[in-house]
Amino acid sequence: KQEVTQIPAALSVPEGENLVLNCSFTDSAIYNLQWFRQDPGKGLTSLLLIQSSQREQTSGRLNASLDKSSGRSTLYIAASQPGDSATYLCAVWGNTDKLIFGTGTRLQVFP
Amino acid sequence: KAGVTQTPRYLIKTRGQQVTLSCSPISGHRSVSWYQQTPGQGLQFLFEYFSETQRNKGNFPGRFSGRQFSNSRSEMNVSTLELGDSALYLCASSPTPSQGYAFFGQGTRLTVV
Repeated sequence: KQEVTQIPAALSVPEGENLVLNCSFTDSAIYNLQWFRQDPGKGLTSLLLIQSSQREQTSGRLNASLDKSSGRSTLYIAASQPGDSATYLCAVWGNTDKLIFGTGTRLQVFP
Repeated sequence: KAGVTQTPRYLIKTRGQQVTLSCSPISGHRSVSWYQQTPGQGLQFLFEYFSETQRNKGNFPGRFSGRQFSNSRSEMNVSTLELGDSALYLCASSPTPSQGYAFFGQGTRLTVV
């Protein structure tokens, strides 16, 4: 059974810092990995999608990497801003035909 | 292109009542999935619909049901509401099943009192 873990569970940093959020999964037989952002009480905003054949994806200040063999993905946020404060979720898509979510990392960036 | 639209955004219901939530997927997307999010359990998969047929189902009691219409819009129904059903219900759309990714709506916040 696929299990997805995210570390740390919470993170509080000053503005301007570069951050690394970690996601690990137990079954390496995945098709895709997707990173989402969720603001309090809101839905999920898709940030990056990494297909199993890819090793990384970039969008603006965000960079996500994928190492299938070790069951890990990292989300790198460069030059963090208060507007980046949110919960970040990773989710994997495997042979169960559904997204399996991690528990999330709650990020707070203070001025 | 409009995103995934869920209605209503907020609902307050009494124990024992039933509720229906609606989801309109992204135009051209034909697969709709539903997820429940609670502080204790996180995001859990409820079910997926494609071509008006349920393709996949999570581990939820039969009180949770859904359907999909010919225009790909989907509804989710919860009968005999319990306090524990209070949650954020999220709908996700994909072009087809097994696409490997999804886009989510803003969710419906259900509170059962």
